[in-house]
Amino acid sequence: QVQVVQSGAEVKKPGASVKVSCNTSGYTFISYYIHWVRQAPGQGLEWVGAINPGDGSTTYAQKFKGRVILTRDTSTSTAYMEFKSLRSEDTAVYYCARDLGGWAAGLDYWGQGTLVTVSS
Amino acid sequence: DIQMTQSPSSLSASVGDRVTITCRASQTITTYLNWYQQKPGKAPKVLIYAASSLQTGVPSRFSGSGSGTDFALTITGLQPEDFATYFCQQGSSPPFTFGQGTKLEIK
Repeated sequence: QVQVVQSGAEVKKPGASVKVSCNTSGYTFISYYIHWVRQAPGQGLEWVGAINPGDGSTTYAQKFKGRVILTRDTSTSTAYMEFKSLRSEDTAVYYCARDLGGWAAGLDYWGQGTLVTVSS
Repeated sequence: DIQMTQSPSSLSASVGDRVTITCRASQTITTYLNWYQQKPGKAPKVLIYAASSLQTGVPSRFSGSGSGTDFALTITGLQPEDFATYFCQQGSSPPFTFGQGTKLEIK
């Protein structure tokens, strides 16, 4: 069965970086896009970016370009999100999710979420 | 960026009711529209993709409709487990923006 498991909660100071992992199993990793979505406390969902694990190509929301880097390791079926120059407003639960087919066709399997807290 | 506007922002209903949530895109997205349900402390769950296709395992009381810029999610015969927050998402072009959410509460 498909499983998506993220790394644990992080507490960072403003200006620091964080790297969140998203380990997948139960399907062919390179065949499905992985998206990253965040949710600030009490707020809605915000799309961060996506990676094609097959060739490593990425796309990002403009507001995060230059601060977010999405990568993947096909040998371990793991996707990563590195977020740089963290600000207090980046405090959120970060989710990774598998695209059910193609490009933003719907996100069918989600990780449990990783809470990133940015505080001095 | 394509803006997604959901209405209403919140909705009170009773078990057994039929409810409809709407989502409007700021430009045409044909049928690249997905619907999600989220419960407190949990990751979202996809209900409908491509505007009207029911995701495997989702009860048939959920249905989606629309194309172009106007879409709807209808729940026919509300069950206690359906009280949650619902989000639409466009899959037409990045950034794949979400609506602001509709919180469905028990009346």
